[in-house]
Amino acid sequence: GQNIDQPTEMTATEGAIVQINCTYQTSGFNGLFWYQQHAGEAPTFLSYNVLDGLEEKGRFSSFLSRSKGYSYLLLKELQMKDSASYLCAVKDSNYQLIWGAGTKLIIKP
Amino acid sequence: GAVVSQHPSWVICKSGTSVKIECRSLDFQATTMFWYRQFPKQSLMLMATSNEGSKATYEQGVEKDKFLINHASLTLSTLTVTSAHPEDSSFYICSARVLLAGDTGELFFGEGSRLTVL
Repeated sequence: GQNIDQPTEMTATEGAIVQINCTYQTSGFNGLFWYQQHAGEAPTFLSYNVLDGLEEKGRFSSFLSRSKGYSYLLLKELQMKDSASYLCAVKDSNYQLIWGAGTKLIIKP
Repeated sequence: GAVVSQHPSWVICKSGTSVKIECRSLDFQATTMFWYRQFPKQSLMLMATSNEGSKATYEQGVEKDKFLINHASLTLSTLTVTSAHPEDSSFYICSARVLLAGDTGELFFGEGSRLTVL
């Protein structure tokens, strides 16, 4: 079966750095997405990785290792507004999106 | 980015009634839209893929007679929850994909519709 694992919840301090991991087992791979979802709102796109390596976009970076079936989202200089759920999603061989359950990130002052 | 608008944002209805949710692409044409359902503290669950001018493709376990999807134009898809029951209470989200050359295929989401069935 297809499976995406990410931690259920993480806590970090304002101004710090946090890394959210995602491991996947899917039938094929055509890219990995990270989305941010604030409570009661729809997800918004953060990043996309299809090749191995690190993609940096401002305070957010996303890393991919296809051989390990692993990705992480790195958030730097954390702000209170970063408190949200972070969803990892993989596009499989049929170009269908498989979603992780999301990681709830709690930022403390 | 592309804009997807969903309406209504909140709806409360009595058990047994039907509720229609609209999803519009405001600045692009969407031949394909996706309908998701999300229960509290759970991930997005794809319900169906809505194709303009043809029947929707439903995921396994989703009742097509209960969740009616119509995609009559390139900018509008509707989801009708028929004979709603309390267990249908959920957050329903639509999304569309803009297909451009070299596009990642990222999804643009509507604001979501929170349905509460009493």
